[in-house]
Amino acid sequence: NAGVTQTPKFRILKIGQSMTLQCTQDMNHNYMYWYRQDPGMGLKLIYYSVGAGITDKGEVPNGYNVSRSTTEDFPLRLELAAPSQTSVYFCASSTDYTEAFFGQGTRLTVV
Amino acid sequence: GENVEQHPSTLSVQEGDSAVIKCTYSDSASNYFPWYKQELGKRPQLIIDIRSNVGEKKDQRIAVTLNKTAKHFSLHITETQPEDSAVYFCAALTGANNLFFGTGTRLTVIP
Repeated sequence: NAGVTQTPKFRILKIGQSMTLQCTQDMNHNYMYWYRQDPGMGLKLIYYSVGAGITDKGEVPNGYNVSRSTTEDFPLRLELAAPSQTSVYFCASSTDYTEAFFGQGTRLTVV
Repeated sequence: GENVEQHPSTLSVQEGDSAVIKCTYSDSASNYFPWYKQELGKRPQLIIDIRSNVGEKKDQRIAVTLNKTAKHFSLHITETQPEDSAVYFCAALTGANNLFFGTGTRLTVIP
């Protein structure tokens, strides 16, 4: 039981490039979330999903897209990367009104 | 959407003293309130949570109180130890299953 797995752990992107952050969970959780955490700051919700085929915007969705084709996977797509997207990205999953389990994070730098 | 405010942003206590962190939330439909601890470079991990039908919950040196009428909840750590030093986040789960986080409190326990 691996929990929530994110790849890659680190990535450097050039301005204007695109990439996909992968997130997969093996706990059969229906809820999944993407957060970004800027240095010394809290967690801001980017997108969330309540089940396969259903996604919705969080607090800071601009510049990102998601999909949820299966219960297990919730990839986050960055199009046209900008320096403002330099951050640590966390994926999390949970069931109804229970603990959200976090992945180990992806540290992204846009230069 | 939900707005979670957290105070103080930094807190220093002597080893053995108590620490209290306070949060308020805005969405009266929020019904689950977890607290997470994040050590430097690590993922957030749940330390305690409380549901809206409970006013107080305790787990060894950690306790959480919830006042639904006033929309605030607090984390209490007693007999603090150096290993309690970390960033602590409160969060609120809305009726739409969005999990929103406070801005964090950096706790330093001075030996």
